[in-house]
Amino acid sequence: EAEVAQSPRYKITEKSQAVAFWCDPISGHATLYWYRQILGQGPELLVQFQDESVVDDSQLPKDRFSAERLKGVDSTLKIQPAELGDSAMYLCASSFLGPSGAYEQYFGPGTRLTVT
Amino acid sequence: TQLLEQSPQFLSIQEGENLTVYCNSSSVFSSLQWYRQEPGEGPVLLVTVVTGGEVKKLKRLTFQFGDARKDSSLHITAAQPGDTGLYLCAGDDSGAGSYQLTFGKGTKLSVIP
Repeated sequence: EAEVAQSPRYKITEKSQAVAFWCDPISGHATLYWYRQILGQGPELLVQFQDESVVDDSQLPKDRFSAERLKGVDSTLKIQPAELGDSAMYLCASSFLGPSGAYEQYFGPGTRLTVT
Repeated sequence: TQLLEQSPQFLSIQEGENLTVYCNSSSVFSSLQWYRQEPGEGPVLLVTVVTGGEVKKLKRLTFQFGDARKDSSLHITAAQPGDTGLYLCAGDDSGAGSYQLTFGKGTKLSVIP
């Protein structure tokens, strides 16, 4: 069964350092999303891509966060410099039109970031 | 941004009991999805409901979409320890022009053996 891949699964970094996360969506899924999830809360959208183009990055803290999907396939999310408040789970998802007739999102396993 | 409220926020029950989790909004959604998330993992899609009044069953889980497509419920019959996890509902914001999901804060379920 096709899955969304993410790496690394866990990352510990010191504040002010740079960190990067990678995501490979399910093959053929044109839309890709990055979310941030605080422990015990629902995911919050950071950025949405349609192929290689950014559709929505209104919630992305652009002073320190950047995201790219250069060839419209895999994607990278970067934080520089990392702050203590960035500690969270970073989730990647991709979507397609499901059998129900509605779009459905499928998530990767996430990257758990701890900033010390 | 459409808001989704989930209740209860926490639920701890004994194995074998029944439970219902609610997801409510003042806005209409094109569709609504339910996910289950285990600690340290990504959310796993359980079901998508599209039509007002729709009921879907997944083994011991029953999902219902409200007639007005503003609310949804998840009922679990004879809960098992394997049902433990964070249950998230998410509404389709596609009316805003692009397919996006708005998530509730989740219901954390613990089923005690």
